[in-house]
Amino acid sequence: QKEVEQNSGPLSVPEGAIASLNCTYSDRGSQSFFWYRQYSGKSPELIMSIYSNGDKEDGRFTAQLNKASQYVSLLIRDSQPSDSATYLCAVNIGVDSSYKLIFGSGTRLLVRP
Amino acid sequence: DVKVTQSSRYLVKRTGEKVFLECVQDMDHENMFWYRQDPGLGLRLIYFSYDVKMKEKGDIPEGYSVSREKKERFSLILESASTNQTSMYLCASSVGLADGANVLTFGAGSRLTVL
Repeated sequence: QKEVEQNSGPLSVPEGAIASLNCTYSDRGSQSFFWYRQYSGKSPELIMSIYSNGDKEDGRFTAQLNKASQYVSLLIRDSQPSDSATYLCAVNIGVDSSYKLIFGSGTRLLVRP
Repeated sequence: DVKVTQSSRYLVKRTGEKVFLECVQDMDHENMFWYRQDPGLGLRLIYFSYDVKMKEKGDIPEGYSVSREKKERFSLILESASTNQTSMYLCASSVGLADGANVLTFGAGSRLTVL
């Protein structure tokens, strides 16, 4: 079983809609959670981090964390064609591995004009 | 404004060759990482370093070694390249400990093809 699971997609949404990207992880000791965005042919860049249960909002982006269900999601409101990219979920698996992030394989998002 | 620089964007090497991938960061970051990215497998950690001359194995260190002689430079070495090491290699850096350690700044990547 992969430690961090994401649906590979593509997830296709119309411009202006809400895009919902989901991620599950296997290690209950996971401490912190990140969303990276990767445009085609480019390297990943951090867009959101979340450390405690609940929601965290940053502009059009909301990260949601539910540690009991081992589930983290990213909502993108008012999706734009420029949001079309692969979104990588990353999880820090515990205190003893504070440097080590485990990445999911990513969900490709397509925002249709 | 480039912060993490990888020396080669594209490389083509032959099986058995020794390959050096260089990475330099100008942000005075303590931590540096080497990942490889393959379709369907995502990013996998090869090695990381949290200080000069310090290194730790990641998930897939076999066939690779690293060197960190200066804080700003982290090199990945393939002692004898094989075709299954054809991949995109991404270098990243981050600052210090705790939460900051996981905020990675990536380089542009080095696409290696081994024939």
